[in-house]
Amino acid sequence: EIVMTQSPATMSVSPGERAILSCRASQRINSYLAWYQQRPGQTPRLLIYGASTRASGVPARFSGGGSGTEFTLTISSLQSEDFAVYYCQHYFNWPLTFGGGTRVEIK
Amino acid sequence: QVQLQESGPGLVKPSQTLSLTCTVSGGSISSDNYFWSWIRQPAGKGLEWIGRIYKNGDTRYSPSLGDRVTMSLDTSKNKLSLRLTSVTAADTAIYYCSRSGDRYYFDYWGQGTLVTVSS
Repeated sequence: EIVMTQSPATMSVSPGERAILSCRASQRINSYLAWYQQRPGQTPRLLIYGASTRASGVPARFSGGGSGTEFTLTISSLQSEDFAVYYCQHYFNWPLTFGGGTRVEIK
Repeated sequence: QVQLQESGPGLVKPSQTLSLTCTVSGGSISSDNYFWSWIRQPAGKGLEWIGRIYKNGDTRYSPSLGDRVTMSLDTSKNKLSLRLTSVTAADTAIYYCSRSGDRYYFDYWGQGTLVTVSS
């Protein structure tokens, strides 16, 4: 099983600032990585797939990067609606696994 | 617009079987190249993929759940089902159904249903 490790667990960011979230896979997964946003009390929402492709309707301030084992999600200028928990997920092989999440909170 | 809606008992006793249904609207579960998964999330914790099923009944399950899990489809009703046997308190979670393509990232999710395992 591929273990996905996200860091930091929590980050405090001021509105308008940039946030960079990290996700590491325990083995190479090429670019088979997705990112999700989960606002409090809501369902996860697909943001990024293929490590860097934005899903439909996702604002351009969200960007994904990396390949192999190291990945990042960058939010270029945090808006109030971006304060949420973010999860990465690999789909390289079975079983599919998620990272433990990064909570982005208001500083 | 595809919509998914989970339903089932909110309370299950330990050692019994958890049974949930997901009703899909706005799309067919018999469509080519779409796969249907169950994912769960304990309160305040992360996401765990349970398994997936394809229109022909082919399934893949997470090894962490062993042989406790069974997924099935009812194509006539456009529904998928989850059965999890011998539940314990550790199975208490919000259960989501979700859709993916043949690249297994999840583009549509249900609202989730909370299942509590307690006597």
